[in-house]
Amino acid sequence: GEDVEQSLFLSVREGDSSVINCTYTDSSSTYLYWYKQEPGAGLQLLTYIFSNMDMKQDQRLTVLLNKKDKHLSLRIADTQTGDSAIYFCAESMGTGGFKTIFGAGTRLFVKA
Amino acid sequence: DADVTQTPRNRITKTGKRIMLECSQTKGHDRMYWYRQDPGLGLRLIYYSFDVKDINKGEISDGYSVSRQAQAKFSLSLESAIPNQTALYFCATSSSGTNTGELFFGEGSRLTVL
Repeated sequence: GEDVEQSLFLSVREGDSSVINCTYTDSSSTYLYWYKQEPGAGLQLLTYIFSNMDMKQDQRLTVLLNKKDKHLSLRIADTQTGDSAIYFCAESMGTGGFKTIFGAGTRLFVKA
Repeated sequence: DADVTQTPRNRITKTGKRIMLECSQTKGHDRMYWYRQDPGLGLRLIYYSFDVKDINKGEISDGYSVSRQAQAKFSLSLESAIPNQTALYFCATSSSGTNTGELFFGEGSRLTVL
């Protein structure tokens, strides 16, 4: 079945770049997502990439998609303490949110 | 005010008790979901509803039931709670009219079953 895997922890120093990686198994996925969960809060969509794209940049965020290897990454430039959160990789066929598969989440620690 | 509201936010109960978690939304979305979050396991889908009177089982529906009372309300029930249902529960919504499939989450309901 479909599966999304990502490492559970990442620690970086403030000002450095963070790279969070994810692999997925469903080659028919139309959209790949990064959701952010701050302490005590629900998940919020951070960014997404359509499956026919290789890269998407949005301010400090860069998403890279290697569809051949089914690998997705999220790079956060100039990481700040406010970026400390859990980041979830997810995939779906789009279709109005139905059948979104989530990874276990990567907890990002940012050291001052 | 939050667009997706869950009540209660925290609940401690005992084994065998019946528990209901409620979710309401003001986003006007037709689709609603209940997810369960466990450390190291991510989010797993319990039930989902595409509209009022439409109920579908997700990945881990055993031990749970749901009710879609109105388009804006979706409740999750544990008929007889057990300790391994201790988890953080999230309600989410989406619109069938969107291509991106973005999900909008409530702030979560933390349930502890003793």
